[in-house]
Amino acid sequence: GEDVEQSLFLSVREGDSSVINCTYTDSSSTYLYWYKQEPGAGLQLLTYIFSNMDMKQDQRLTVLLNKKDKHLSLRIADTQTGDSAIYFCAAGGGGATNKLIFGTGTLLAVQP
Amino acid sequence: DAGITQSPRHKVTETGTPVTLRCHQTENHRYMYWYRQDPGHGLRLIHYSYGVKDTDKGEVSDGYSVSRSKTEDFLLTLESATSSQTSVYFCAIRGLEYNEQFFGPGTRLTVL
Repeated sequence: GEDVEQSLFLSVREGDSSVINCTYTDSSSTYLYWYKQEPGAGLQLLTYIFSNMDMKQDQRLTVLLNKKDKHLSLRIADTQTGDSAIYFCAAGGGGATNKLIFGTGTLLAVQP
Repeated sequence: DAGITQSPRHKVTETGTPVTLRCHQTENHRYMYWYRQDPGHGLRLIHYSYGVKDTDKGEVSDGYSVSRSKTEDFLLTLESATSSQTSVYFCAIRGLEYNEQFFGPGTRLTVL
């Protein structure tokens, strides 16, 4: 079945760039999304990329999509302690029901 | 703010008792979803709705039922709760721009 995989943990120093990676199996995914979850909270939509795009930039966030390899990455520039959270990649966005498949999440720890 | 609330926010119950979780939205969105979040599994879709009285199963629907008698409310029922249903439950609605999903704050359910 459809699957989305992410590494479990990433530790960076404040001010450095963070890169969180994701791979997916469903080549028909129309949109790919990045969500952020802070402790005890719901998921907050950070950004998305349409499947016919290679890159999308939104302030400190850069999303890269390699459709051939089904690889998605999220780069956070100048990472701050407030960026510490779990980041989820999700694939889907197509069809009438728009069911999304989520990765298991990457815990980003930012060291001061 | 997508105007999604969930109730209750926390619940502790005993095995074998029925439990109903409520999701309420204020923006008249057609599509609504119920997910559960468990460590190591990310978010998994339980059921979804594409209109009043129109619902369908997700990937982990066993032991759960849903109802949607009006656009703004989507109810998730555990007919006879089991310890394996201890989880955090999230409701989501589908946005209109790029099939994004917006999440509620979650309900933490503990089944003893």
